[in-house]
Amino acid sequence: SQQGEEDPQALSIQEGENATMNCSYKTSINNLQWYRQNSGRGLVHLILIRSNEREKHSGRLRVTLDTSKKSSSLLITASRAADTASYFCATDSGDDKIIFGKGTRLHILP
Amino acid sequence: SQTIHQWPATLVQPVGSPLSLECTVEGTSNPNLYWYRQAAGRGLQLLFYSVGIGQISSEVPQNLSASRPQDRQFILSSKKLLLSDSGFYLCAWSTGRLTEAFFGQGTRLTVV
Repeated sequence: SQQGEEDPQALSIQEGENATMNCSYKTSINNLQWYRQNSGRGLVHLILIRSNEREKHSGRLRVTLDTSKKSSSLLITASRAADTASYFCATDSGDDKIIFGKGTRLHILP
Repeated sequence: SQTIHQWPATLVQPVGSPLSLECTVEGTSNPNLYWYRQAAGRGLQLLFYSVGIGQISSEVPQNLSASRPQDRQFILSSKKLLLSDSGFYLCAWSTGRLTEAFFGQGTRLTVV
């Protein structure tokens, strides 16, 4: 079953611009995580935000969580060509399962 | 430090043949282990997860099975592959609830 739904499915922006991706989920969660996947590779964990947190920063990444709306956003500031990848949100509902959304394909244009 | 090994990286198998994909984790004990499948350009579908030796939970009824014969070993199997089993298979581990998952490099399976 798919818990998270990322929006948009694909995003192309100019290098240096900010990229924002959104994730909506259906059931209550313990935490929400964002991952990155380069083409044909495994996923790399970016950031985890707990259900009692509203915002978290890591370098050029900013994640927000709104549990009342069951949504999260990932902001990448000052994008670089190396940020081109697919980004996934994943939720942990406290039952040992980590469920991923369908992802947003981000393409940074030179 | 912890590492995860998944092999092979690519595999081409005929329809009806068996499958065995192996995943091992080093540097940690009693990890949660996961098998995901990713269709081309799509999200990750959770297939199986395990919280301990011999404990396997199946998320999607299908042509696959999983086993955990040792604490840090997770095996994905099939007795007879179908064309629809083609995809990118990813193994992952975590230390438990409220923590992130660490992924292997994946196995690209093509059933012909």
